[in-house]
Order: sequence, then C-alpha cells, then structure tokens
Amino acid sequence: GEKVEQHESTLSVREGDSAVINCTYTDTASSYFPWYKQEAGKSLHFVIDIRSNVDRKQSQRLIVLLDKKAKRFSLHITATQPEDSAIYFCAASRSNNRIFFGDGTQLVVKP
Amino acid sequence: DMKVTQMPRYLIKRMGENVLLECGQDMSHETMYWYRQDPGLGLQLIYISYDVDSNSEGDIPKGYRVSRKKREHFSLILDSAKTNQTSVYFCASSLDWGAYEQYFGPGTRLTVL
Repeated sequence: GEKVEQHESTLSVREGDSAVINCTYTDTASSYFPWYKQEAGKSLHFVIDIRSNVDRKQSQRLIVLLDKKAKRFSLHITATQPEDSAIYFCAASRSNNRIFFGDGTQLVVKP
Repeated sequence: DMKVTQMPRYLIKRMGENVLLECGQDMSHETMYWYRQDPGLGLQLIYISYDVDSNSEGDIPKGYRVSRKKREHFSLILDSAKTNQTSVYFCASSLDWGAYEQYFGPGTRLTVL
C-alpha cells in the first residue's frame, strides 16, 4: 500500500518567518493530499488539501505544492504566528481508497 | 453543526476488563474510522466502516472489534484489554471513503493498568 513519509519530525521557526513541511509518497496513483493540524492536547482538524489536477493551492497563509514527478508535496506556512504551533500531518490517497497519514511534524513558532 | 463526539473522554481500566468506546456523528457520513495515536507513531488505523454493518480491518485490528448498527454511531470494543492498548483513540467520519475530508472527534484517553 501507500507509504507517506514526513521528513521533518520537528521544525522550529521564528515568528514571522515561513515554515515548510515536506512529505513524500510512494503510490503513483495517489491523487488526493490533505493536511491536518493537531494543537497540543487536542484533536486533529483539516487545514488544506490539494488534488493531483493542480500543482499549487493557497488558502490565506497556507500554500500547498505538489510535484507528482518526484512524488513530493509540501505545506508552506507564511508569516508564522504562535498559534501555528502544532503537529501537522500530511496524508495521501487514491480517489477510491483509504487515506494514509504521515507520522507528523511538530512545528514550534518561537516569539 | 458538524460534529463528531466520543464517549467517554477518559477511561481507566484493569487488564482483562472489557472496554467500550463510543462515537457519534451528526453529518450522515457514510464512512467512519477508528484510529489510535501513540507518541512518535502518528495515527494508526484500526478499523474502517463504510456504512451500517460494513466494516473492514485497518492496519492494527488485532485485539479490537467494532460495531456499526446505525449510520451515526460507531463503537470500538476491546475484549479483555491489555496494557499495550493504553493510548489515545480517535474516531473520525467522512462523507465517503477515499478523497474526502475527515472530521475527527475529541479523542478518548484510555489507560489499561
């Protein structure tokens, strides 16, 4: 099955800087790539996704890039704020299959 | 209001006792999931339910079983709980399986002594 890897287990940035979290996947048929955020002691919630028919998607300060050739996608958070501190999970799936999650990246935004 | 609920939120059991974790959703979602989360291991899928009485094993089904008799309700059962089942359990739901946003419940922290 699909295997999703998150390259950074932890990432520390200064408030106002950009943060980039990188993921790779193995299944060339994967076409849906969501990102979830988990704040300390809380549950996960969806933040943004991208489908394979585009290579870039932006929602306010969040940008997702998809490189299908390299089987790589990334989450860019611009102008980071303390409330961006959380664990971010990337995931991948085919259109008709379950979602596979990465192990998570702990983002720390330092003031 | 789109919501996934879980009961109980915290539970302490002794090894060998039976455990029932309950999950509900008010979105008429067809697909529901049970995950467990342990430090450093991300999310591990235990079971998927595609609809009432249509359940499928995930990656770590051993020691667990599920029940879905109504679309809005999905239960996780641990028969004779083990100490290595101490974890945080999350329920989630989605409109359909595959490429759809998942809505997560608040989680149940289970401790098996």
